[in-house]
Amino acid sequence: AQSVTQLDSQVPVFEEAPVELRCNYSSSVSVYLFWYVQYPNQGLQLLLKYLSGSTLVESINGFEAEFNKSQTSFHLRKPSVHISDTAEYFCAVSEATGNQFYFGTGTSLTVIP
Amino acid sequence: GAVVSQHPSWVICKSGTSVKIECRSLDFQATTMFWYRQFPKQSLMLMATSNEGSKATYEQGVEKDKFLINHASLTLSTLTVTSAHPEDSSFYICSARDQGTYEQYFGPGTRLTVT
Repeated sequence: AQSVTQLDSQVPVFEEAPVELRCNYSSSVSVYLFWYVQYPNQGLQLLLKYLSGSTLVESINGFEAEFNKSQTSFHLRKPSVHISDTAEYFCAVSEATGNQFYFGTGTSLTVIP
Repeated sequence: GAVVSQHPSWVICKSGTSVKIECRSLDFQATTMFWYRQFPKQSLMLMATSNEGSKATYEQGVEKDKFLINHASLTLSTLTVTSAHPEDSSFYICSARDQGTYEQYFGPGTRLTVT
């Protein structure tokens, strides 16, 4: 079975500062990688995903994540955060030939004015 | 983009009663849907995989007789919590998988409170 580790449960950061949310996974097979964002009392929204190709993937709102196979990581970064980025962020992994998603425990990002 | 809806969004029921939650894919067909449970401040835990036209596959520790799943069509899966107890109170989220993009589209969730 896969496991996904998000080392930081809470990340406070000042507005316009950079942020990195860490995600590591354990797998010996090819995987697909995802970051989802969840606002209070809402479902999950896909932020970005890595399926194949370029290891650096970007979202439309300024987030990016880089797949590092040797370190089995898929850290999420943003160079300058906004108040509206305050939310819960989940990293997820799925085996390329599988069906199930495995979620990390989530990181609560709080942007401080 | 693909949309998944859930109904109801919030339900309160008395202990011992049953509650049905619907998950619909609005603009695509989903042969596979997933049901997750999320406790406050925690991650999503997969409860079961729902396959159209066949029995659901339950994760270890999930009581299949308590959480009944029916996937009768390519756009609808239902989760029925039978004989609900206060400990069943949780946020239930469904997702539907796009076979082409491998992406899961999540519903907005249903908050169940059992009194």
